[in-house]
Amino acid sequence: QLQLQESGPGLVKPSETLSLTCTVSGGSISSNDYYWGWIRQPPGKGLEWIGSIFYSGNTYYNPSLKSRVTIFVDTSKNQFSLRLSSVTATDTAVYYCARYRISWYGGWFDPWGQGTLVTVSS
Amino acid sequence: SYVLTQPPSVSVAPGKTAMITCGGNNIGSNSVHWYQQKPGQAPVVVIYYDSDRPSGIPERFSGSNSGNTATLTISRVEAGDEADYYCQVWDTSTHRGVFGGGTKLTVL
Repeated sequence: QLQLQESGPGLVKPSETLSLTCTVSGGSISSNDYYWGWIRQPPGKGLEWIGSIFYSGNTYYNPSLKSRVTIFVDTSKNQFSLRLSSVTATDTAVYYCARYRISWYGGWFDPWGQGTLVTVSS
Repeated sequence: SYVLTQPPSVSVAPGKTAMITCGGNNIGSNSVHWYQQKPGQAPVVVIYYDSDRPSGIPERFSGSNSGNTATLTISRVEAGDEADYYCQVWDTSTHRGVFGGGTKLTVL
């Protein structure tokens, strides 16, 4: 059974860079059927797609975050990672990683990691 | 940018039917997926490809999608169905994931 697990600091200072890693177990990240994505959820609010990456390194980003976001993959470790620069308090959220099923008409995210809360505060 | 609109809340009595809508411009031409999120937990897909159910999801959950509205229907609602529900599409023209704002389902 495929599982995803987020890891990284739970507290980041304003203006610094948020860095998270998602470790995939129970399956290979190097699949032609899936992208791998990051989604976040501010406390008490809805879900926001951040971006997605293919194992080859091809990426798609949310235009609203694109200037600050980098997602990269390490197939040797079966991991993919998120970096979000110049963070502010509005970046405080639970960050989820998830597998994205590729589909001609648009795919879905399943499964999801348990999520990790990142707080931006000095 | 593509926008999905959901009602903030829906209330239903146990045993009745809940319908949660997701509005978007010509959403019927996209595949719509639905997630259930309970407090403190990660979202779980309950419907994909408009109306398909993953294994383990009760038959009480169903979906439809046509025109400008997709609908998640939960029949014979149980207390355990109380959760937030999100619709999602992949905007194939801009290669973006898009989520609706979410609907809080309250079981009275």
